[in-house]
Amino acid sequence: EPEVTQTPSHQVTQMGQEVILRCVPISNHLYFYWYRQILGQKVEFLVSFYNNEISEKSEIFDDQFSVERPDGSNFTLKIRSTKLEDSAMYFCASRPGQGNSEAFFGQGTRLTVV
Amino acid sequence: GEDVEQSLFLSVREGDSSVINCTYTDSSSTYLYWYKQEPGAGLQLLTYIFSNMDMKQDQRLTVLLNKKDKHLSLRIADTQTGDSAIYFCAEDPGVLSGTYKYIFGTGTRLKVLA
Repeated sequence: EPEVTQTPSHQVTQMGQEVILRCVPISNHLYFYWYRQILGQKVEFLVSFYNNEISEKSEIFDDQFSVERPDGSNFTLKIRSTKLEDSAMYFCASRPGQGNSEAFFGQGTRLTVV
Repeated sequence: GEDVEQSLFLSVREGDSSVINCTYTDSSSTYLYWYKQEPGAGLQLLTYIFSNMDMKQDQRLTVLLNKKDKHLSLRIADTQTGDSAIYFCAEDPGVLSGTYKYIFGTGTRLKVLA
């Protein structure tokens, strides 16, 4: 069964460093998402991406964040200068299209900023 | 607002039924989902219901939807220790709302006592 894969599963980084979280969505999907979950809290929407551009972003997704689909298969989330409060589980998701199309989530990348 | 509310904790005895409740905000939501998250793991889709349905049954899971009250529930029959996890409801506001993101609830931590 096709699945969304995320790498790495766990990343530890120093405050102020740049990190790139990687995702390989399901191949024929058109919509891509990043969500995050701070430990013990709800899953929050960060950004959605369609047709090679951001279609929607939340207040959390400030100038420190960017997304890219560099090669038609990977979908990356970059955090330019990490802060302690960026420590969270980051989930990538993809869905085939509009209407009834369930979003498929990856297993997540746990980011720890020290 | 975009708040999806759930009670935080539920404790049941093994073999009993569990009922997890959720209230959502967007009356135009087309699909409502239930996800399960085990400790340290990703989001596993359990079931979903389309907004024109009142009920959906899937083996031990029963989803009830009250559109008038914007209330969704998940009933797990014959709850097992392996059902211990956090359960998230999520609403999909749908194409007409102009957004394709899911809005997640706060999560209900289910603890099953042996």
